[in-house]
Amino acid sequence: EVQLVESGGGVVRPGGSLRLSCTASGFTFDDYGMSWVRQAPGKGLEWVAGINWNGGSTGYVDSVKGRFTISRDNAKNSLYLQMNTLRAEDTALYHCARAKSGSFPTRCDYWGQGTQVTVSS
Amino acid sequence: QSALTQPASVSGSPGQSITISCTGTRSDIGGYNYVSWYQQHPGKAPKLMIYEVSNRPSGVSNRFSGSKSGNTASLTISGLQAEDEADYYCSSYTSSTTLGFGGGTRLTVL
Repeated sequence: EVQLVESGGGVVRPGGSLRLSCTASGFTFDDYGMSWVRQAPGKGLEWVAGINWNGGSTGYVDSVKGRFTISRDNAKNSLYLQMNTLRAEDTALYHCARAKSGSFPTRCDYWGQGTQVTVSS
Repeated sequence: QSALTQPASVSGSPGQSITISCTGTRSDIGGYNYVSWYQQHPGKAPKLMIYEVSNRPSGVSNRFSGSKSGNTASLTISGLQAEDEADYYCSSYTSSTTLGFGGGTRLTVL
């Protein structure tokens, strides 16, 4: 069974940093690209960042470019999102999601339950 | 970047069919057959319902179908059931090497 478990969320002040983690199990992690997708309270889904199987291809939504970095450690079956210079508008539930193959994500086949990030003074 | 347009809400009675549209541009929906649809019940993680325009993952009811014409994709749900009441999101790969989501459509089963 595919399982994706996010962690690392919390409350942080504007301008602060957080590192989210996603631990995968139930599949061969380095066979798949991965994404981070967030959902602000009462709002819709927003794709944040994606990465291919070996980290050689990454992409970001414009609003986080230069502030967020997606990475992975295939030996640890883990996906990460380093978030710097956080803003109030980054407040959301952050999900990690598995792609269909090792290429850059074109869809999200499986989703984790998410970790909450709250940016507030 | 991609901002796909969906109606905010649709509704239908049990047994009826409904269609949700998702409008983009040549840089996303019109340029790629990487359109997906997701169902999200309150407090739950999204679930993939349709991928690559019209394909259903294993386990998804054949009451769900997808199509695309030009820059607009559509999700049709036939034989509406109470359990179909949820939020639905479209998504497309884009020429900017990103994924874009629609704003979401709340389906109410009357």
